Amino acid sequence: DSGVTQTPKHLITATGQRVTLRCSPRSGDLSVYWYQQSLDQGLQFLIQYYNGEERAKGNILERFSAQQFPDLHSELNLSSLELGDSALYFCASSVGSLAGGHTGELFFGEGSRLTVL
Amino acid sequence: DAKTTQPPSMDCAEGRAANLPCNHSTISGNEYVYWYRQIHSQGPQYIIHGLKNNETNEMASLIITEDRKSSTLILPHATLRDTAVYYCIAFNQGGKLIFGQGTELSVKP
Repeated sequence: DSGVTQTPKHLITATGQRVTLRCSPRSGDLSVYWYQQSLDQGLQFLIQYYNGEERAKGNILERFSAQQFPDLHSELNLSSLELGDSALYFCASSVGSLAGGHTGELFFGEGSRLTVL
Repeated sequence: DAKTTQPPSMDCAEGRAANLPCNHSTISGNEYVYWYRQIHSQGPQYIIHGLKNNETNEMASLIITEDRKSSTLILPHATLRDTAVYYCIAFNQGGKLIFGQGTELSVKP
């Protein structure tokens, strides 16, 4: 158990819909990261937050948005869903640092499996 | 961040050492070598990391060549539970942790 909690574990929805994935980081971790893993793309970095502020962006679509709340939990919002958005979405956390750096030792949750029909 | 190259797949007999190679010929002086593994559809798990010196922990050993252009992750006594995809990542603190395709290790009885 990594200490990172993701909900829901499974989600099935239709094209055009909007979903929200939730992540609770390990106690004491200030940084949260989101990754997408689909069969043909592998693990893709989406976005990183540190203590409520966006710190780094990866291959995140404009239809997707995220935020980190004052209690440090994070949500990833996916809208206008397409079939190709079906994937495992992982959240990870680390202690992080004010300068934006981190040690590279991330703790991953078990993921949220999204299926778009 | 430097690109890493790993063989797509490897087999290892249970109880034997698994040696997973990684090439990172363009690694810069401030980039660390990190290893993660992902057991089927679970979240990736951190294994070990190093900069110049060889490192060992309870999970594995990491051997980095003197020129830092390649490294080897060693699982000393592989078990069936070590069957997973292993990712080698060249990481600059402050950068993004970018996963490649990894090596699919199959440990066979």
